[in-house]
Amino acid sequence: DAGVIQSPRHEVTEMGQEVTLRCKPISGHNSLFWYRQTMMRGLELLIYFNNNVPIDDSGMPEDRFSAKMPNASFSTLKIQPSEPRDSAVYFCASTLGGSPNQPQHFGDGTRLSIL
Amino acid sequence: SQQGEEDPQALSIQEGENATMNCSYKTSINNLQWYRQNSGRGLVHLILIRSNEREKHSGRLRVTLDTSKKSSSLLITASRAADTASYFCATVYSGGGADGLTFGKGTHLIIQP
Repeated sequence: DAGVIQSPRHEVTEMGQEVTLRCKPISGHNSLFWYRQTMMRGLELLIYFNNNVPIDDSGMPEDRFSAKMPNASFSTLKIQPSEPRDSAVYFCASTLGGSPNQPQHFGDGTRLSIL
Repeated sequence: SQQGEEDPQALSIQEGENATMNCSYKTSINNLQWYRQNSGRGLVHLILIRSNEREKHSGRLRVTLDTSKKSSSLLITASRAADTASYFCATVYSGGGADGLTFGKGTHLIIQP
């Protein structure tokens, strides 16, 4: 079975540019999560969706960050304009929601470097 | 912060030995989960223990949960080189729905061949 698919795997861009990260959750999963991982702060939840609806975006650091889930099989995380401090690994995860007692399935992440 | 905290931050042992990692958290939880992360990869779910469970096994993994002390431990028996990875505990706090997990900073485990 296909797992969570993220693209691109690596992104290097200059500050000020728009960055779009993409995620395809596992088919049938109805909850999707975006996380950010840095050495300093560890893994942080940015936003999560349930049935394509954003439920909690309190972890989104600034208005420069936005996320969408237009359908059950696709989500994007956009940073505009990007800054060097946004450099991190961004993970997408999905789960069969409705119960907190479900494991989350992670993609392999997008390693983002803002120069 | 409600983050769980793993202890130790790093652990290096010989192949064949047992590895024990600990996790502490701060508030009531629905469950506690352990994940493994290999270098350059995403997190992989290992085991989930619910708040009303005290111990759980999966292959060479043994997890305990002590809700009175707000702590959990992960034991890997008969370690192998392939167990080299970072291990994270993650909690789902009581009252949450399909909330995101709250992760600790992880324990970096190195198995020396």
